[in-house]
Amino acid sequence: DGGITQSPKYLFRKEGQNVTLSCEQNLNHDAMYWYRQDPGQGLRLIYYSQIVNDFQKGDIAEGYSVSREKKESFPLTVTSAQKNPTAFYLCASSSTSDGEYGYTFGSGTRLTVV
Amino acid sequence: GQQVMQIPQYQHVQEGEDFTTYCNSSTTLSNIQWYKQRPGGHPVFLIQLVKSGEVKKQKRLTFQFGEAKKNSSLHITATQTTDVGTYFCAGRRRMSTLSRTSYGKLTFGQGTILTVHP
Repeated sequence: DGGITQSPKYLFRKEGQNVTLSCEQNLNHDAMYWYRQDPGQGLRLIYYSQIVNDFQKGDIAEGYSVSREKKESFPLTVTSAQKNPTAFYLCASSSTSDGEYGYTFGSGTRLTVV
Repeated sequence: GQQVMQIPQYQHVQEGEDFTTYCNSSTTLSNIQWYKQRPGGHPVFLIQLVKSGEVKKQKRLTFQFGEAKKNSSLHITATQTTDVGTYFCAGRRRMSTLSRTSYGKLTFGQGTILTVHP
């Protein structure tokens, strides 16, 4: 079955450390997205990519970086510059036209700074 | 920038009662989507509305898109404990130029957390 796989499910980061969250999809979707979810704040867009080797900043890109070297993969790096990284991170994908099927989300990575 | 406001933030109901969440955009939308996130889970796409005044139904769920395409609502009739979760709306703005029409990214509302007491 097609879908999006995020790993790890839980991640603990020490202060000053960079960590990379994995996101892989086998839906043949062109577009991929990273969202951050905090209680009471809904989903906020970090970065998105509509095509391989191209990506755009979202609303809260500071302290994060991404790459899109393959269509299937869109890893997110949370750098030490991100002041409050503890959150639930969701990866999503969609076909470019984003028609009636909406976004498909992965199961998320819960990042905690220790 | 585009803002999508969703109310209420929380809703507690007794099983069997109805539930409604409302979504309002600061700009005219091309389309609006609704998602459900179960506790501990991830958002799952429910439906997309495109036309002005559109109404769609999925069993006990009724979705509406306003005539001005700036607001939307989700109504659940006779809630069940399986309806528990957070409901998000997400709006997309259409951007037209002389040469092409493109679609902006989705902007999510803050979500309404629904609790159903048996």
